[in-house]
Amino acid sequence: GQSLEQPSEVTAVEGAIVQINCTYQTSGFYGLSWYQQHDGGAPTFLSYNALDGLEETGRFSSFLSRSDSYGYLLLQELQMKDSASYFCAVSRDDKIIFGKGTRLHILP
Amino acid sequence: SAVISQKPSRDICQRGTSLTIQCQVDSQVTMMFWYRQQPGQSLTLIATANQGSEATYESGFVIDKFPISRPNLTFSTLTVSNMSPEDSSIYLCSVVEGGRPNYGYTFGSGTRLTVV
Repeated sequence: GQSLEQPSEVTAVEGAIVQINCTYQTSGFYGLSWYQQHDGGAPTFLSYNALDGLEETGRFSSFLSRSDSYGYLLLQELQMKDSASYFCAVSRDDKIIFGKGTRLHILP
Repeated sequence: SAVISQKPSRDICQRGTSLTIQCQVDSQVTMMFWYRQQPGQSLTLIATANQGSEATYESGFVIDKFPISRPNLTFSTLTVSNMSPEDSSIYLCSVVEGGRPNYGYTFGSGTRLTVV
């Protein structure tokens, strides 16, 4: 089986930095992905880490430590439009399994 | 990235009836995935639809309840059969280009199903 743990909610201030953590337990792990989902919308792909280290894409960065079964998504220069749910997901056996999601609230 | 057209976007159905959801992709993909998502909840994988073979179902989901067709590499349908109010949910299809997760999975816009 597999399990992913991430905080249910995080609150941050516009312009600040926020980190959303994800720990996982799974067999046959290939990589960790992050997805963003706005209310009423479909999930959209943000990033993927197969190897340890940091991947940066604009204001978003994602980190993976395979030895710790841990990763995080870092959002910088927060904007109001970043208010959404963020899901970590593990890739295994040609499919992805999602965590329960973190609701990010941004205060002006 | 691939573009997915999913229909219908929403429907209200009577219990005991069936609804078929369609997903059309603008490029050929090997695997398509079907997910279910309760509002405010995570996505749960129902099955993987493979062209030319039976779909692979996840634990807790069976073919009699969620029959899937995959007639070609750009199209798939999911049927929710003999519906009950517990089937009320958002259903999404998804594909991954190149079969590589680093390219990201693309999702359809979802079908919001309400069973009354």
